[in-house]
Amino acid sequence: DTGVSQDPRHKITKRGQNVTFRCDPISEHNRLYWYRQTLGQGPEFLTYFQNEAQLEKSRLLSDRFSAERPKGSFSTLEIQRTEQGDSAMYLCASSLDRLYEQYFGPGTRLTVT
Amino acid sequence: AQTVTQSQPEMSVQEAETVTLSCTYDTSENNYYLFWYKQPPSRQMILVIRQEAYKQQNATENRFSVNFQKAAKSFSLKISDSQLGDTAMYFCAFMKHGGQGQNFVFGPGTRLSVLP
Repeated sequence: DTGVSQDPRHKITKRGQNVTFRCDPISEHNRLYWYRQTLGQGPEFLTYFQNEAQLEKSRLLSDRFSAERPKGSFSTLEIQRTEQGDSAMYLCASSLDRLYEQYFGPGTRLTVT
Repeated sequence: AQTVTQSQPEMSVQEAETVTLSCTYDTSENNYYLFWYKQPPSRQMILVIRQEAYKQQNATENRFSVNFQKAAKSFSLKISDSQLGDTAMYFCAFMKHGGQGQNFVFGPGTRLSVLP
């Protein structure tokens, strides 16, 4: 297993368009997290899943954002009607239930023009 | 809510020297975990070291060690024998042990430059 992967690595979109990102966690990890990181800042929590259940969502996650993990494996994060303020790096991380260390993917850099 | 503060936005150190990065946090929890992550330029976040709050002994990983002061809510990272490859953003992170909010709360980061 080569770690957490994310696709695409870069996405440029026009304001108002919808975008979807994918995250493939480490195969035996049952927890999956999404974070957003803006330039020069630490990552901010968006949401996390335990298996297919979405257990928590941050207040940062407006109703334009939706995340799924349909079979408890990969996850998607969709942003509808993108705004310039959505421009950021979107990070995915996974972990085993009890170990708590999170392993991060390379991120998807979103630019909204 | 938990908060994490890193008061040093940028630091530099000469190769082979020792440097300490500061982190303080605020929480009312008694059981939690603390982490240091490293994010090299244009590369993904990598775990450097972790500390369980119930352990009094400070964690060490090769050249990396922490000074965990639970009462003071302080968690500093010491890097010994600094290497050029240590150049990166370093993030301190907090995580509750259980219940709601089992996600990382990150500090704003410290940019470390190791100079040849």
